[in-house]
Amino acid sequence: AQSVTQPDIHITVSEGASLELRCNYSYGATPYLFWYVQSPGQGLQLLLKYFSGDTLVQGIKGFEAEFKRSQSSFNLRKPSVHWSDAAEYFCAVGSNAGNNRKLIWGLGTSLAVNP
Amino acid sequence: DADVTQTPRNRITKTGKRIMLECSQTKGHDRMYWYRQDPGLGLRLIYYSFDVKDINKGEISDGYSVSRQAQAKFSLSLESAIPNQTALYFCATSGVQGGELFFGEGSRLTVL
Repeated sequence: AQSVTQPDIHITVSEGASLELRCNYSYGATPYLFWYVQSPGQGLQLLLKYFSGDTLVQGIKGFEAEFKRSQSSFNLRKPSVHWSDAAEYFCAVGSNAGNNRKLIWGLGTSLAVNP
Repeated sequence: DADVTQTPRNRITKTGKRIMLECSQTKGHDRMYWYRQDPGLGLRLIYYSFDVKDINKGEISDGYSVSRQAQAKFSLSLESAIPNQTALYFCATSGVQGGELFFGEGSRLTVL
């Protein structure tokens, strides 16, 4: 079955610390992979995406993610977290046909940042 | 102004009432979507439309209907609201197949 797992429901880090949010997927076809962020009271915003090519992708707000096919993972990283990064983070996977109606979403990881 | 605008942002209603959530966009995108977000259940697709004459059911369309009035407008209706439709609803658009989704700020609906 196709699925996306974000193992960590909630993470707390100190401001300035590094961050890694995990995303594992199960998908039969070549995946398109996305990370979205939802700030409090806001809609979701795309952080970054992987379609093909370099497996380390750079996104907005200083985030990056690495696609590891052998591990079926697409973990999100940031070297130094800012208080404004406190938000909900969602990983999603779609087919290489790129049809958004077939996007499979993870349940999200809530990030809290301590001053 | 936001590229994807949802109205109302918050609504409290009673069981059995008809509710319409409206979405308008200035992105010029053909593709529009309605999602529902519930704690612990993530985002689930209700309906999607790839152009004005194309309407498709998502994974949880029962109890909902939609109308694509124009390229820029996509409305979600609950004909007879029930408490388990209490949720945060998002409209989204995308411009190309597999492209980025642009979300509105959400409409929080409470059905008493």
